[in-house]
Amino acid sequence: GAVVSQHPSWVICKSGTSVKIECRSLDFQATTMFWYRQFPKQSLMLMATSNEGSKATYEQGVEKDKFLINHASLTLSTLTVTSAHPEDSSFYICSGPGQGYEQYFGPGTRLTVT
Amino acid sequence: GEDVEQSLFLSVREGDSSVINCTYTDSSSTYLYWYKQEPGAGLQLLTYIFSNMDMKQDQRLTVLLNKKDKHLSLRIADTQTGDSAIYFCAESIGFQKLVFGTGTRLLVSP
Repeated sequence: GAVVSQHPSWVICKSGTSVKIECRSLDFQATTMFWYRQFPKQSLMLMATSNEGSKATYEQGVEKDKFLINHASLTLSTLTVTSAHPEDSSFYICSGPGQGYEQYFGPGTRLTVT
Repeated sequence: GEDVEQSLFLSVREGDSSVINCTYTDSSSTYLYWYKQEPGAGLQLLTYIFSNMDMKQDQRLTVLLNKKDKHLSLRIADTQTGDSAIYFCAESIGFQKLVFGTGTRLLVSP
């Protein structure tokens, strides 16, 4: 199957700083990518849909000014957590849809805000 | 809203069969999935089923879909200790975004 990479895989940052997470589709082009968040011992929740060439679509309750999404190209989407707080500590996973049933998930980025 | 429910915990002995259940709400889902997640790791797609199918078998895995009751199950035959993990069902909504279930933690004891 196709490969999606995320960088970094783990990041620790101080409260109040911003962190950028990259999601790359290595061998396919993605006009759409999805960003999910998973709190410890909980399920994955869709945060937003990243659209190449247009604004991201955010799910209800997700602050668009706090979680900035930029779909810079057909192979790169970035999620920037601005003014991070400890409650933003989570596992962030991106995915890119393929054909039919296919969904290609990145390995995830663990964010810890101290 | 979209709620996908699973039982939280299942404990079985090695060699037994495990059955993990899931109920979903969106009858228009095209695909339903089962993912496995080991501690600290990402998601591993185990299997999927198209919404017009009732059953799908893939080696030790059997998926049953009851569309009338919006019920999905995953049966793992001959469960091994390496199968211990969290299992998520998920339904596709619209253009392939997924709604995940609450997750079932499977513990396999020797």
